[in-house]
Amino acid sequence: GDSVTQMEGPVTLSEEAFLTINCTYTATGYPSLFWYVQYPGEGLQLLLKATKADDKGSNKGFEATYRKETTSFHLEKGSVQVSDSAVYFCALSNFSGTYKYIFGTGTRLKVLA
Amino acid sequence: KAGVTQTPRYLIKTRGQQVTLSCSPISGHRSVSWYQQTPGQGLQFLFEYFSETQRNKGNFPGRFSGRQFSNSRSEMNVSTLELGDSALYLCASSPGLAGRGVDTQYFGPGTRLTVL
Repeated sequence: GDSVTQMEGPVTLSEEAFLTINCTYTATGYPSLFWYVQYPGEGLQLLLKATKADDKGSNKGFEATYRKETTSFHLEKGSVQVSDSAVYFCALSNFSGTYKYIFGTGTRLKVLA
Repeated sequence: KAGVTQTPRYLIKTRGQQVTLSCSPISGHRSVSWYQQTPGQGLQFLFEYFSETQRNKGNFPGRFSGRQFSNSRSEMNVSTLELGDSALYLCASSPGLAGRGVDTQYFGPGTRLTVL
């Protein structure tokens, strides 16, 4: 079945460092891919999405490119801030009669001042 | 548009009791999904409702049930609560219409359930 694998956390970075959180997926057909972010005590917020191969999703300085050849959707940001400290979830949505959503296990990011 | 709302935000129950959680989706969304989030198990899918019918179901015992009303609002019920049911319960809504392109889920803030 479909699955999402993302790198284990926690990831600890200094402010202004470059961020990469790896995400790979297994899916039949043509899934849509998402990154969600969860701040402490809150629900998940949609960060960005991509709906087809080579699409780049971007928001708030974060980017991810849908790479069908490597089945990846890695999240990147050029310069992280303390306020980016949160848990990041990679997810896919696939249609097989109905829409199904698969979430990764989440990667905790801690940014130090 | 108003976002997904969940009530109550916090609940404390004791073992053996039952609880009902409520979710109001984004206006126009017909699909509502429920998830359980715990530190040990991560985000686990409970079930999805679309137009008042359960469309998908995860691997949870029958103590977990749900329903959806004609206005797309959804409730989730947990009977005979156990200590292990302590978790953040998240609701997500989406248009849910097949063949309409990407279907994006939008989450509510969650209900934090503590079972003592």
